[in-house]
Amino acid sequence: KAGVTQTPRYLIKTRGQQVTLSCSPISGHRSVSWYQQTPGQGLQFLFEYFSETQRNKGNFPGRFSGRQFSNSRSEMNVSTLELGDSALYLCASSLAGSEGGYTFGSGTRLTVV
Amino acid sequence: SQKIEQNSEALNIQEGKTATLTCNYTNYSPAYLQWYRQDPGRGPVFLLLIRENEKEKRKERLKVTFDTTLKQSLFHITASQPADSATYLCALPSYGNNRLAFGKGNQVVVIP
Repeated sequence: KAGVTQTPRYLIKTRGQQVTLSCSPISGHRSVSWYQQTPGQGLQFLFEYFSETQRNKGNFPGRFSGRQFSNSRSEMNVSTLELGDSALYLCASSLAGSEGGYTFGSGTRLTVV
Repeated sequence: SQKIEQNSEALNIQEGKTATLTCNYTNYSPAYLQWYRQDPGRGPVFLLLIRENEKEKRKERLKVTFDTTLKQSLFHITASQPADSATYLCALPSYGNNRLAFGKGNQVVVIP
C-alpha cells in the first residue's frame, strides 16, 4: 500500500512569504500529526488532526496553522516566514492516535532565505 | 512538562557487537514507549512499542526493555551490521493527551 506522501520535498522561500505544505496519509488513516525537526531542537510537535478536527496543538505561534480535509489529506501553512522556520517538516499518519505507532512521510525541507 | 533524554554523543560500534541505547524520561510514567529509526533526510520509521506492563520486547535483532521505576528504556541491537547505522529516537505520549513526544535521538555508527 502507498505510504505517506508529502509535497513538495524541497522548498526555498524568502522571509515574509507564506508557504503551504501538503500531506496525504495512508489510506484509512484518520489521524495526521505534523512535526518540525531541526538539528538543535529535534522533533517538535506542531498539531494533530483527526476527522477534520484539530485534536492537539503544540507550542508554536499562530503563524503556523493547519487543516484536514474529508479525505484525511492535511495541509499546514506558515505565514510571514522567518529564518528560524527553516526545518524539515514531517507529517505522520496513524489509524486513530499514537498507540499503534506513526508512519511518517519523507518530509518537506523548507529553507527560508 | 515531559522531558525525554537520549545521549547526544554518537555511538561507534564494531560490526557484530551489541549496541545499547538509553532513553530516560521525567515526570509521569507513560502507558507505552516507542522506538523509531531515522536515516538522514528521511522521516522516522516505527520499530517497536513496549507497554508499561511489559519488561521486555523483541523483534528480530532488536530488544527493548522498559523500567518504569527507573523511568528508563534500553534499546539493544544485537549482532550489529553497517546497515544499522542510523539515528534512533524514543518517543512516548504526553500526559493527558495522545500527542507523541520524541527524544532528540542517538546516532549509531556501525564500523565494518
